[in-house]
Amino acid sequence: DIVMTQTPLSSPVTLGQPASISCRSSQSLVFGNGKTYLSWLQQRPGQPPRLLIYQISNRLSGVPDRFSGSGAGTDFTLNISRVEAEDVGVYYCMQGTQLPWTFGQGTKVEIK
Amino acid sequence: EVQLVESGGGLVQPGESLRLSCAASGFTFSTTWMGWLRRAPGKGLEWVADIDQVGSETNYLDSVRGRFTISRDNAKNSLFLQMHSLRVEDTAVYYCASHGDRCFENWGQGTQVTVSS
Repeated sequence: DIVMTQTPLSSPVTLGQPASISCRSSQSLVFGNGKTYLSWLQQRPGQPPRLLIYQISNRLSGVPDRFSGSGAGTDFTLNISRVEAEDVGVYYCMQGTQLPWTFGQGTKVEIK
Repeated sequence: EVQLVESGGGLVQPGESLRLSCAASGFTFSTTWMGWLRRAPGKGLEWVADIDQVGSETNYLDSVRGRFTISRDNAKNSLFLQMHSLRVEDTAVYYCASHGDRCFENWGQGTQVTVSS
């Protein structure tokens, strides 16, 4: 199985300041077709998960542009340019390259 | 608007069975891969199973294979998860989700499954 490792596991952030979450996979996420199936999800308290970004850097419609994804191969990053109160929650990376689909442990973003 | 509404969760004893349902609307269900995922208390997200558009291909997490069965009824826009021989470690909120391109694009609110004696 592909192991997804996120750092940090907790990220206290000041409102208006940036936040960055790293995700590393135990093997390359490049699929045979050349695409890389790394996505990012947000789970606010009491809410179901919500897909933010797919294939490393593609934002889903309606996702604010303060969220951006980058990376390649085995190393990926989710950046929030200016954290807002509504961004509080747990963020997960997920790989869709090889079954079983696996998630990182989650990174809790909270306001200082 | 895409809607996924799970039902069927509850409190059961170890070894018992439960059947989860998910009612889908707002998209073309019959052309969409679907999946079940869960989040156990104090833990992260975990994929459980998924199924292709017509129900001919299914995939399972190793720890549930042989105990859980995913199925669908395209005529009723419904997804199911039949769970047998439930274990304490199956306790979680179970989510129904629709596949995007090798990602999970839309999620339901979840249904709580608690396995305890």
